[in-house]
Amino acid sequence: GAGVSQSPSNKVTEKGKDVELRCDPISGHTALYWYRQSLGQGLEFLIYFQGNSAPDKSGLPSDRFSAERTGGSVSTLTIQRTQQEDSAVYLCASSGRQGANTGELFFGEGSRLTVL
Amino acid sequence: AQSVAQPEDQVNVAEGNPLTVKCTYSVSGNPYLFWYVQYPNRGLQFLLKYITGDNLVKGSYGFEAEFNKSQTSFHLKKPSALVSDSALYFCAVRDINDYKLSFGAGTTVTVRA
Repeated sequence: GAGVSQSPSNKVTEKGKDVELRCDPISGHTALYWYRQSLGQGLEFLIYFQGNSAPDKSGLPSDRFSAERTGGSVSTLTIQRTQQEDSAVYLCASSGRQGANTGELFFGEGSRLTVL
Repeated sequence: AQSVAQPEDQVNVAEGNPLTVKCTYSVSGNPYLFWYVQYPNRGLQFLLKYITGDNLVKGSYGFEAEFNKSQTSFHLKKPSALVSDSALYFCAVRDINDYKLSFGAGTTVTVRA
């Protein structure tokens, strides 16, 4: 597609369940980012990929969070044993080589996670 | 470390009046500065950026922003606001030696007819 695609757009789950959020970046973009947007707060950086490697995982809140990227394209963010404080909108963004140098990120519409 | 402050949670203006959304930043080196806009139930859209050069940068939808190094500010402006400008606005900063964008908490802009 022309833009960054995320799925599911909405996910409601019970506390303790695992969830997977998917991001399909713009074709050819080498850099991929995951951010979390909580109600009334800004965007919290989670993880950055360059190609398939993740040089910076410093933003992942706990070891329940993990992410991978395959084929230099699709990325999956996995949250294990979800907690209510995980409820948020998870945003994915990608950028090409030039964008990665100047910071212009292209965002998907996000996956809204609600943990009951 | 890098950070962004948006001191106003909300800005309310009448249509046709000037709009200003404030942003101050902190970085250890030279900054790259950005504004993004988020419409309801939509992802973030890039508005404009400052990398180097002219301190006044122009972006999409008639918006502009002025980089002020001495005041470490990057305020977003529009001379004449439209109702359709009502949205959530985020300022972001990146050190030129980093790849990570740090965002402010956002400012909700409401333009009344």
